[in-house]
Amino acid sequence: DIQMTQSPSSLSASVGDRVTITCRASQGISNYLAWFQQKPGKAPKSLIYAASNLQSGVPSKFSGSGSGTDFTLTISSLQPEDFATYYCQQYRSYPVTFGGGTKVEIK
Amino acid sequence: QVQLVQSGAEVKKPGASVKVSCKASGYTFTNYHIHWLRQAPGQGPEWLGIINPISGGTTYAQRLQGRVTMTRDTSTTTVYMELSSLRSEDTAVYYCARRYCDGGSCYSDFWGQGTLVSVSS
Repeated sequence: DIQMTQSPSSLSASVGDRVTITCRASQGISNYLAWFQQKPGKAPKSLIYAASNLQSGVPSKFSGSGSGTDFTLTISSLQPEDFATYYCQQYRSYPVTFGGGTKVEIK
Repeated sequence: QVQLVQSGAEVKKPGASVKVSCKASGYTFTNYHIHWLRQAPGQGPEWLGIINPISGGTTYAQRLQGRVTMTRDTSTTTVYMELSSLRSEDTAVYYCARRYCDGGSCYSDFWGQGTLVSVSS
């Protein structure tokens, strides 16, 4: 199975901050990488697919980059509604696997 | 609009089975595979398997082989996930998610609302 390692596991940030989350795959996955946002008690919401493609309806403050084994999710200007847990997911091969998550909290 | 509506919460005893449904609407049911995933309290999502709604063909996570069965009913645009021989470690929120393909990239775009399955004696 492909292991996905996210860092940091949590971070504290202020409204307006630029936030970057990283995700590393245990082997090359090309660009078969998605990012999800999850709020407490809710299902994950798709943000980005194919490493850098924004899901329809997702604001452009979210961006993704990377290929191979190293990927990043950036939120350009953190807003109150962005405080949540973020997961990366590889879908290069089954089983689909997720990173451990990054909880973004208010400083 | 695309919707995946799942069945309600379940409480089961160890050794029992549970069957969770996921009704799809707002798109052509047979055009998109459906994933099943689960999320234990405080953990990240775990992939359970995928079903092709046209053929009924499935691929399951190896660690659940023999305990999980996914089926579909095209007449009601509903997919099902049944998990047998339940253990306390199976306590989780179970999700269905549509697999959308953009070119060669196939990812989960819409998720159901989740179904809490609690296993306790």
